[in-house]
Parts: sequence; C-alpha cells; structure tokens
Amino acid sequence: DAGITQSPRHKVTETGTPVTLRCHQTENHRYMYWYRQDPGHGLRLIHYSYGVKDTDKGEVSDGYSVSRSKTEDFLLTLESATSSQTSVYFCAISDQGMDEQFFGPGTRLTVL
Amino acid sequence: GENVEQHPSTLSVQEGDSAVIKCTYSDSASNYFPWYKQELGKRPQLIIDIRSNVGEKKDQRIAVTLNKTAKHFSLHITETQPEDSAVYFCAASQRGNKLTFGTGTQLKVEL
Repeated sequence: DAGITQSPRHKVTETGTPVTLRCHQTENHRYMYWYRQDPGHGLRLIHYSYGVKDTDKGEVSDGYSVSRSKTEDFLLTLESATSSQTSVYFCAISDQGMDEQFFGPGTRLTVL
Repeated sequence: GENVEQHPSTLSVQEGDSAVIKCTYSDSASNYFPWYKQELGKRPQLIIDIRSNVGEKKDQRIAVTLNKTAKHFSLHITETQPEDSAVYFCAASQRGNKLTFGTGTQLKVEL
C-alpha cells in the first residue's frame, strides 16, 4: 500500500460538534482527495487539493471544508456534524501527470 | 457533470466461471477508466485501468474493454476464485484527475 495514513480510524461524535479528519502521505504526491462512501452511492468526491493551499470542491462539498498547509497533510473538517455525515471517509493521493489514485485505510465516522 | 452507472449490483458465479461487470458513462470527454476492488472493511485497491486510446487491456485473469462510441466499459474476470469475492467499482475521469465512481458490484464466487 502507498504511504497513506488516516486518523482517527474510528470516531463517534454528537450532532453539532466540529470534527477534523487527517490524511497524511509520505509519497510526496501533489494531488490529494477526500471521498465519502455510503451504501448505494459508491464513493463520492468531497474536496480535492492540487497543491499546498490549492483546493477545490467535489460533488458533495456542502458542510465540509478542507485545508492543506503542507504537501503531506490534507485535513477534512465538518464544522457542525450532522447525522447525514455518518459515513466512511477515504483519502486518496495521486502524483502529478499520473491518473492512478491510491486510497488510505479509511475513517469510520458516526454522528449521533 | 459526469455520471457513471454500473450493473449488476450483485453477481453470483460458480468457482471457475467468468464474471462480467458493465459500466456506462455520460461525458464523452472522460479519458481514464479505472477499476477498484474492495474487500470487506478494507480500502479500495486499483486492479486495472484503461485509457481512451486503448480498446482492451489484460492482466492475467482480468481484462477491461472500452467502447468509446457507446460510452461503456466492462470488467471481465475469468476462472473466478473465492478470493475474487469482493465489491468492484468502476470509475471515470474527465479532467483534473477527478474520479466519478459507479455504485459498485458485489461479486460472490461460490464453491
């Protein structure tokens, strides 16, 4: 597996609380992505980054923000978690000029 | 935006038989089509991919075909084995490495 870690791996939180998920890579890849995976929906892109401090929205970005202050770290923040954000969140990376994306181990988030 | 449809949602085959999963995409600008395998509780793993300038690609027991005119692509697994049991996702990329995924196919290989 590519050098991608996610933290935490599991989290249970309450509605209305802020949550930050971290993706860390050791591959020095330029592109990083956050997806959520839900039954019946496959994987859907939340936000992605094409460089330090360069980010853009995906198809399901409402309620999420991201930050990338270093090449190796990509943070996903739920400003005020809702039950509809209960999901498994995957980070992915890809290198400049390459199409292939490689996924991290995932974070299971439960919002009560 | 891009829309990817995947069929069937579940597929059960006998060990040794072939399995075929089909996907269609909507954006004719899409030019990269990967397939991922995801075992229960694990991360999606890239197993094979194809680009729009190629019609077919093989890697041992798996192959992918692409029909650009019809905007569909398929995954073929021959001589299926129990360890092939997993969820398979197709995806399409139109620009900037942004992947749009299908909804997945649960493949079960029965002994």
